Amino acid sequence: AQTVTQSQPEMSVQEAETVTLSCTYDTSESNYYLFWYKQPPSRQMILVIRQEAYKQQNATENRFSVNFQKAAKSFSLKISDSQLGDTAMYFCAFMKLNQGAQKLVFGQGTRLTINP
Amino acid sequence: DSGVTQTPKHLITATGQRVTLRCSPRSGDLSVYWYQQSLDQGLQFLIQYYNGEERAKGNILERFSAQQFPDLHSELNLSSLELGDSALYFCASSVEWESEQFFGPGTRLTVL
Repeated sequence: AQTVTQSQPEMSVQEAETVTLSCTYDTSESNYYLFWYKQPPSRQMILVIRQEAYKQQNATENRFSVNFQKAAKSFSLKISDSQLGDTAMYFCAFMKLNQGAQKLVFGQGTRLTINP
Repeated sequence: DSGVTQTPKHLITATGQRVTLRCSPRSGDLSVYWYQQSLDQGLQFLIQYYNGEERAKGNILERFSAQQFPDLHSELNLSSLELGDSALYFCASSVEWESEQFFGPGTRLTVL
């Protein structure tokens, strides 16, 4: 079974700073996707970024980028020029590619607070 | 707005009761997933349907059941409710198997 670990329960930074959230996972699979989801106080789950395991290039979405280290099974999220609206719970998630049957396995989350 | 709708937004009921949560996927999405978010268990996968057929099962209790209808909407039925069933229940949908899942706003269930 796959497991996802987020070792930072809480983080806090000042607005405009850069922050990195850590995630490690355990799997024997070679074909999978990794995701970061954001859950603001509204409780809505919002997809932030996706990484395919077969791609060596790290994914980037505007101010959000990942550092994917497949051998180390590490998948960190970097938020640049942080904004007050980035305040949220962030969940790392793993999805094994299994034709017809997909599920997300989530970490416990990191609560990120951006201070003005 | 992800395009996934869930009703109701909030549900308060008593132990031993039965409730039904409803989900409408994004237009064109064939796969529907149900997740439970609770304080002690975190976010856990319950069940997946693809075009009306059950495709994967996670940590879903026997008291819980789900189905996906021909119009692709899905319902999650929770029966013999216990205090520990209080949680946020999310529905998500995706176009195909190998694509990202988009989440609805969730249904907050409170069992008193």
